[in-house]
Formats: sequence, structure tokens, C-alpha cells
Amino acid sequence: GESVGLHLPTLSVQEGDNSIINCAYSNSASDYFIWYKQESGKGPQFIIDIRSNMDKRQGQRVTVLLNKTVKHLSLQIAATQPGDSAVYFCAENPLSNDYKLSFGAGTTVTVRA
Amino acid sequence: DAGVTQSPTHLIKTRGQQVTLRCSPISGHKSVSWYQQVLGQGPQFIFQYYEKEERGRGNFPDRFSARQFPNYSSELNVNALLLGDSALYLCASSLRGMDSPLHFGNGTRLTVT
Repeated sequence: GESVGLHLPTLSVQEGDNSIINCAYSNSASDYFIWYKQESGKGPQFIIDIRSNMDKRQGQRVTVLLNKTVKHLSLQIAATQPGDSAVYFCAENPLSNDYKLSFGAGTTVTVRA
Repeated sequence: DAGVTQSPTHLIKTRGQQVTLRCSPISGHKSVSWYQQVLGQGPQFIFQYYEKEERGRGNFPDRFSARQFPNYSSELNVNALLLGDSALYLCASSLRGMDSPLHFGNGTRLTVT
């Protein structure tokens, strides 16, 4: 099966609220993780990445948290906007010297006005 | 700056035919990867090229092949098309390998009838 998975396939959030998207991974050797946003008809758009030597990384309105103990990754979006509606994927690089990303199935985020 | 560009954007082929998809990476990026995304799923790794050499191959049959040119652009070829090859084919580029995030194009939508 897939080594990367998301806890919930869909998430509905009120505009202005904070969103939390969760992801579990199974390969403890993974050392690089990325979150992507994919809007309808477009390719995945890079949001933020984090390496295994970090627990937290912040970007503009987004924060990624990595818990290596339980192999869990989350993406927090502050003050969710209608433009945040999309499918969100977490992806991991299984091996340090490998060149592929393994993607989960994605979480569809819908922002309610 | 231009992002990753792919052509064509849409393509319809019949079973048994062959198809060639094209990709131009972001200027300065030397690594190109190909992914297949079936509707409702996350992208699946097909190939990764760096400096014109194949660095990684996913679990796809030999009907799938690719190459990278001296200008770092790339082609993905699929022979003897099957109905199950219908998908969005994504190209991504990065500076080198997995030490920098992949940036995706908007893909080529291939429909096999």
C-alpha cells in the first residue's frame, strides 16, 4: 500500500477559521516532506517543505509540523480564504538518495463563505 | 519567470497507439521528473532524469520511456496505449534532485479510447 496517507479525504472550514490537514507516513527513513496544493485543472503547487531534522516550519499563513515519533505531518492554514479551496497532498521522499516523491491520496478542502 | 511548461495540454488517442508528451523545465533546473495522476488519486512517480541520465524509475511497464535533452527539456513516450493509461501526466523540475522541491507543470490530460 501507499506509504503516505491522509487522515481525512475531505475538510469543510468556515472562511476566516484556521484549517488543519493531517497526514500519516509509514517510512521512518523518510527525511524530506512537502505539502502541495492542487486546484482544479492545474498541477500541484508547492506550499512548504520540511526536513526530518526540524519539527516545525512556518511560511506565509501556513505552518507545517512534523512529529517523527508517531510519523505524523500536519499543515495548518491560518485565516482560511476562499482561494484556499483545493486538494492538498502531502508527499515524502522515502530515501535520502532517492529521487522520487510518494504522494498520499489528498484532502479536499472546501471553504464556506 | 516561466514555470514548467507541458505540451500538449489535452490529447485523445486510441488503444494501441503511441504518444509523446513534452516538458520544458524552469530555467536553470537540471532535473525533470514525470508523474501519472489518475483521477481522484495522488501523483505516482514514473521517471526522474538529472543531467540527461535516468536516476529513478517507478513501477511502470516498459511501454513507458523517457529522455532528457541537452537543454534539459524532456519527453515521455508511451507505446501500445491501454485504456488504463488515461490520466493526467505531470512533469516537474527541480534544481538538482530531492534536495530541492519539485515544481510541477499543469500537465497533459491523456484520454485513451
